[in-house]
Amino acid sequence: SYELTQSPSVSVSPGQTASITCSGNKLGDKYACWYQQRPGQSPVLVIYHNNKRPSGIPERFSGSNSGNTATLTISGTQAMDEADYYCQAWDSSTYVVFGGGTRLTVL
Amino acid sequence: EVQLVESGGDLVQPGGSLTLSCAGSGFTLNNYEMNWVRQAPGKGLEWISYISSGGSTKYYADSVKGRFSISRDNGKNSLYLQMNSLRAEDTAVYYCARNWQFFDHWGQGTLVTVSS
Repeated sequence: SYELTQSPSVSVSPGQTASITCSGNKLGDKYACWYQQRPGQSPVLVIYHNNKRPSGIPERFSGSNSGNTATLTISGTQAMDEADYYCQAWDSSTYVVFGGGTRLTVL
Repeated sequence: EVQLVESGGDLVQPGGSLTLSCAGSGFTLNNYEMNWVRQAPGKGLEWISYISSGGSTKYYADSVKGRFSISRDNGKNSLYLQMNSLRAEDTAVYYCARNWQFFDHWGQGTLVTVSS
């Protein structure tokens, strides 16, 4: 089965750039997306198709996907960005696969 | 505004059954593929089931295959998940989510607790 691996936690200072990575075998050959989940809330799509932002998502959120790694980058990180972030890919055999999630702490 | 509202979560004994519902508004549900995703307490997200817009194609995660059944009633703009032979490890918040390959809208979730 296909697996995606994320670091459990990332810390960043306000105003700095946060990078959250997601690794999987030949992940760059698939479409990756990212969800933000604040405590007690439902997930929100922040990046789809590797680097596209849904309507209403701030420009400070960006994404890339190449080789075995997809990356979510948050520029000028704000306190409100503190949340759990999940990567997700779609594979024709295992369908939807989520990473284990990364807790972003804004110190 | 697109909204998805789940209902039906409850406390149920191991081996029991439960049916979850998801009502859509602000869009025509029958134009979209739909899914169920769950999240155990303090854990990550787990996709469990998919249904095509017309209802003819269904997929399940191995963890629920043979026990859960997804269905839809496009006339009622609703999605369902019939859960049988429930186990303690099925305890989770269950979300319905719109689309396929990526999920652009999620409901608020409904809690299913399997315990004696």
